[in-house]
Amino acid sequence: TQLLEQSPQFLSIQEGENLTVYCNSSSVFSSLQWYRQEPGEGPVLLVTVVTGGEVKKLKRLTFQFGDARKDSSLHITAAQPGDTGLYLCAKNSGYALNFGKGTSLLVTP
Amino acid sequence: GAGVSQTPSNKVTEKGKYVELRCDPISGHTALYWYRQSLGQGPEFLIYFQGTGAADDSGLPNDRFFAVRPEGSVSTLKIQRTERGDSAVYLCASSLRGGANSPLHFGNGTRLTVT
Repeated sequence: TQLLEQSPQFLSIQEGENLTVYCNSSSVFSSLQWYRQEPGEGPVLLVTVVTGGEVKKLKRLTFQFGDARKDSSLHITAAQPGDTGLYLCAKNSGYALNFGKGTSLLVTP
Repeated sequence: GAGVSQTPSNKVTEKGKYVELRCDPISGHTALYWYRQSLGQGPEFLIYFQGTGAADDSGLPNDRFFAVRPEGSVSTLKIQRTERGDSAVYLCASSLRGGANSPLHFGNGTRLTVT
């Protein structure tokens, strides 16, 4: 059961464009994690957000946690082909992580 | 300094057969997780080990699935009487302590195909 909704499901853009992907839930998160997964590999943790309204930056990636801690967004500035991959958000449920279905991003040169 | 290692990377089996998937976690990580990822989906939780014991096996879909971690390190996921619907990528992850503040490190998965 996927408790997190991610949108859009697919995104294809050209190099240099900006984009935002979203992660939403009907329930409050204690924390939220963003992962990127490349084909044939496991997900790799990008960031953890904990506090409502929190903004974290990782080079060209900006992560925001909603004030009510029910939603999060990932904004990529000047996308590059190396940003191509599946972007997953995940929240803790006990000791397990529950993942959304992900946003599949393709950046073409 | 190796990451999480999973073997085999690919496994093709016939419907009804038994399979074992192996996971070598990062040395010193006490927590180990198994996830299953179907095409177009995010990873789905199967089972969590803290040390040798299965602390949470609520994600195992039915009694054909079983996992062990006898010495608190290597883990094996076992699937009996495989079905075509079991076809997926099986991911293993480990973390230093387990819980919300201990990041997960994933292996590259075993792609299981049941024909």
